[in-house]
Amino acid sequence: NAGVMQNPRHLVRRRGQEARLRCSPMKGHSHVYWYRQLPEEGLKFMVYLQKENIIDESGMPKERFSAEFPKEGPSILRIQQVVRGDSAAYFCASSPDGNIQYFGAGTRLSVL
Amino acid sequence: AQSVAQPEDQVNVAEGNPLTVKCTYSVSGNPYLFWYVQYPNRGLQFLLKYITGDNLVKGSYGFEAEFNKSQTSFHLKKPSALVSDSALYFCAVRDGRGTYKYIFGTGTRLKVLA
Repeated sequence: NAGVMQNPRHLVRRRGQEARLRCSPMKGHSHVYWYRQLPEEGLKFMVYLQKENIIDESGMPKERFSAEFPKEGPSILRIQQVVRGDSAAYFCASSPDGNIQYFGAGTRLSVL
Repeated sequence: AQSVAQPEDQVNVAEGNPLTVKCTYSVSGNPYLFWYVQYPNRGLQFLLKYITGDNLVKGSYGFEAEFNKSQTSFHLKKPSALVSDSALYFCAVRDGRGTYKYIFGTGTRLKVLA
């Protein structure tokens, strides 16, 4: 059973471009979480999804950010019109039951 | 509202000595408590959890944690530290009433000295 796969591992974007971060959960896991980590800081909750549904997006900025977890395919975190302040590591985690989370290696987004 | 505090940014301990990494929490309902470890450029790895049952929880790599309801604490411990335990440790909590939203602490960097 492969672990949580995130791609790309590193993503460089210029200000104003779009960033798409992908997360393939572990097989059989229907719960997906997205977090943002800034250097020397903890993980900040962004959004929690179950298949095709956003359950809690209270940690996600209201503008420019969106997330989805379609019936088929990976979960996507989309950031439109990126700004320098979006530079961070974005981690995805999946869970079979909403308790223990299994984390991917993260996507490091750099905005130039 | 949920919150987690890890009061120490860094903990230094000599190899072979016991270690403690502190965590206190605040939730309205029953706490579900977790410890994760992060190595450089990696995602977090689950160490142990407390949901219900015995207050002393044993986890991976010889780590354990004690749930103390009166002090709202969930400190991570290990009787004998290894150099390979050096990493960033995160405490996390969620309210057991039904929301699946997790709050993570800011992390404590553990440095085990040879």
